[in-house]
Amino acid sequence: DTEVTQTPKHLVMGMTNKKSLKCEQHMGHRAMYWYKQKAKKPPELMFVYSYEKLSINESVPSRFSPECPNSSLLNLHLHALQPEDSALYLCASSPTGRGGDEQFFGPGTRLTVL
Amino acid sequence: AQSVSQHNHHVILSEAASLELGCNYSYGGTVNLFWYVQYPGQHLQLLLKYFSGDPLVKGIKGFEAEFIKSKFSFNLRKPSVQWSDTAEYFCAAENSGGYQKVTFGTGTKLQVIP
Repeated sequence: DTEVTQTPKHLVMGMTNKKSLKCEQHMGHRAMYWYKQKAKKPPELMFVYSYEKLSINESVPSRFSPECPNSSLLNLHLHALQPEDSALYLCASSPTGRGGDEQFFGPGTRLTVL
Repeated sequence: AQSVSQHNHHVILSEAASLELGCNYSYGGTVNLFWYVQYPGQHLQLLLKYFSGDPLVKGIKGFEAEFIKSKFSFNLRKPSVQWSDTAEYFCAAENSGGYQKVTFGTGTKLQVIP
């Protein structure tokens, strides 16, 4: 299985809602990533987990809260988001998280904040 | 600041034409370089990567890229494109060593006309 799955595919939420994005991989990878991609822009790194520990946080606002319950799962908890947070959220995984790894991307969750 | 530049935003070619997409990076130290591709309706996937050794790297589907350190460039080439190469192409870079922290270029949309 060489797939990264993400749920839901689409999410619409109000600014006072709490929601979560889910990402799963069964390739035995030990690093997982969250990216944010706005329209017509490249993916921007948000968080990196390596061996279930947060190794990189790219100064993301606290209204985004990542969680890595185990090596196969990565969640992104959302609370009190702003309309400008509307974007495609991509999850990726890689074997070790060390330089040179190929990253395997999921299809993304398209988030709309009203 | 670390950055990756792709100067061609939209390229239109006829089938069998040769392709070269430019990529320049601004990084201190040793870098790992990647080209990712996103076909319509599909996930981002790796085309090829360079992290050491022969500066001419061959990837999937007949693509290759050349790392020219003196020019801070990693241009993507294909001698003869096909309609199925229609996609968006992202150049990406990271510092070697340490945790994987990839910066993507802005992407080039390639349209191949039959």
